Amino acid sequence: IAGITQAPTSQILAAGRRMTLRCTQDMRHNAMYWYRQDLGLGLRLIHYSNTAGTTGKGEVPDGYSVSRANTDDFPLTLASAVPSQTSVYFCASSDGTSSYNEQFFGPGTRLTVL
Amino acid sequence: GQNIDQPTEMTATEGAIVQINCTYQTSGFNGLFWYQQHAGEAPTFLSYNVLDGLEEKGRFSSFLSRSKGYSYLLLKELQMKDSASYLCAVMDSNYQLIWGAGTKLIIKP
Repeated sequence: IAGITQAPTSQILAAGRRMTLRCTQDMRHNAMYWYRQDLGLGLRLIHYSNTAGTTGKGEVPDGYSVSRANTDDFPLTLASAVPSQTSVYFCASSDGTSSYNEQFFGPGTRLTVL
Repeated sequence: GQNIDQPTEMTATEGAIVQINCTYQTSGFNGLFWYQQHAGEAPTFLSYNVLDGLEEKGRFSSFLSRSKGYSYLLLKELQMKDSASYLCAVMDSNYQLIWGAGTKLIIKP
C-alpha cells in the first residue's frame, strides 16, 4: 500500500441499507478526515480524528458515524442510507494539527443511494 | 459564517497565464491552501501560504493578503494537462480546512 486507499471505488445502495466505507493509510499520520464532495459545493467535512481513539464531528455529521481503533484505519458508516447521501466521499490524512497541515487524499468512493 | 469565494469556471489558452482568485471570511486563519483536482480524481496539494506575499513553485505561484482576505493562484505557460479544478481552502481557528467550491479551468489549444 502506498498512501491512502479507499473501498469500495463505487457503490449503488438501496435507501435504508447500512453501508461502511473503508479507508486505510500507511503513512502513520495522526489525523484522518472524511469529506463529501457534491457538485457546486466545496468539500464538506463529515467527521475527523486527530489521533487514534478520538473522533470529532465536522460540518455535516448527521447520518454518519466513524471509529478510529488504530492509526491506519478510519471507517465511515451510514447507518440507514438516504438519497441525499449520494455523493463522492474522500478520506484524507495529515501528519498533525499544526498550521502547516497538508492533507493527502484517497481516490474516493462514489456512492449512489436509490 | 465562514465563506470561501472563487469563480466557478475560467477559460484560458495554452501557453498563456491565468490568475484564479479566492476571497475568504473565516473564524480565524492558520494558512491558505491551493489544491488541484482533475476530473474523477482526488485533490492534490499545490501550495500553502500563511504569511503575506508570493510563494513561487515552478510554473505555479500563490499570493496571500491576510488584511484583504484574498489569495490568488497564478499559472504560467499553461499546458493542456493544467485543465482541472483548483480548490482554495483556509485553515480556521480549529485547524480545520474550510473549502471553496473550486474553479474549473478549461485550457484551449
